[in-house]
Amino acid sequence: NAGVTQTPKFQVLKTGQSMTLQCAQDMNHEYMSWYRQDPGMGLRLIHYSVGAGITDQGEVPNGYNVSRSTTEDFPLRLLSAAPSQTSVYFCASSYSRRVMGETQYFGPGTRLLVL
Amino acid sequence: GENVEQHPSTLSVQEGDSAVIKCTYSDSASNYFPWYKQELGKRPQLIIDIRSNVGEKKDQRIAVTLNKTAKHFSLHITETQPEDSAVYFCAASRGDDMRFGAGTRLTVKP
Repeated sequence: NAGVTQTPKFQVLKTGQSMTLQCAQDMNHEYMSWYRQDPGMGLRLIHYSVGAGITDQGEVPNGYNVSRSTTEDFPLRLLSAAPSQTSVYFCASSYSRRVMGETQYFGPGTRLLVL
Repeated sequence: GENVEQHPSTLSVQEGDSAVIKCTYSDSASNYFPWYKQELGKRPQLIIDIRSNVGEKKDQRIAVTLNKTAKHFSLHITETQPEDSAVYFCAASRGDDMRFGAGTRLTVKP
């Protein structure tokens, strides 16, 4: 198993550009999520999905869109990039979220710089 | 929503000493409390977790305690080693929404 994979590893955007961060998992996990990590602020939940066709907002969803058309993939879209979206983005997955806690596995991260 | 506070933000200990990191949470309905270790440039990795029906859990040199009444939980690392140096994050969740603390940078001096 490859686990959780993310592409690209690093990306530079200009303000106003759009892009999609890709995330895939091959563990047949129901639950997938996106976090951003900024210095001194830990990891903040952007969006999550409890299964194909179901998504919901997390703590900091503004400026980001997600969709979940398959169990394996959970792309994160930046509609119009802003310098405040400069961050490291982590995708994560777990078997389920509805039972009392499930181990969450993180991808390697995407480092995004918005100029 | 849930709010998780983590202290201290930095911690420096001598090799062989113990290290303790504390977190508090605000939502009494939170029922799952994992701890993650993140080395520089790497992804967070789960090191131990505890559920709300358990007060303490231990795994070799690492232990976590949970006080539901006071809404706080702690990570204890004994006999620290240089390879324990990393940033540690606590988190709290109920169901689908997980919130993280800001992290503690632990440095173990040889």
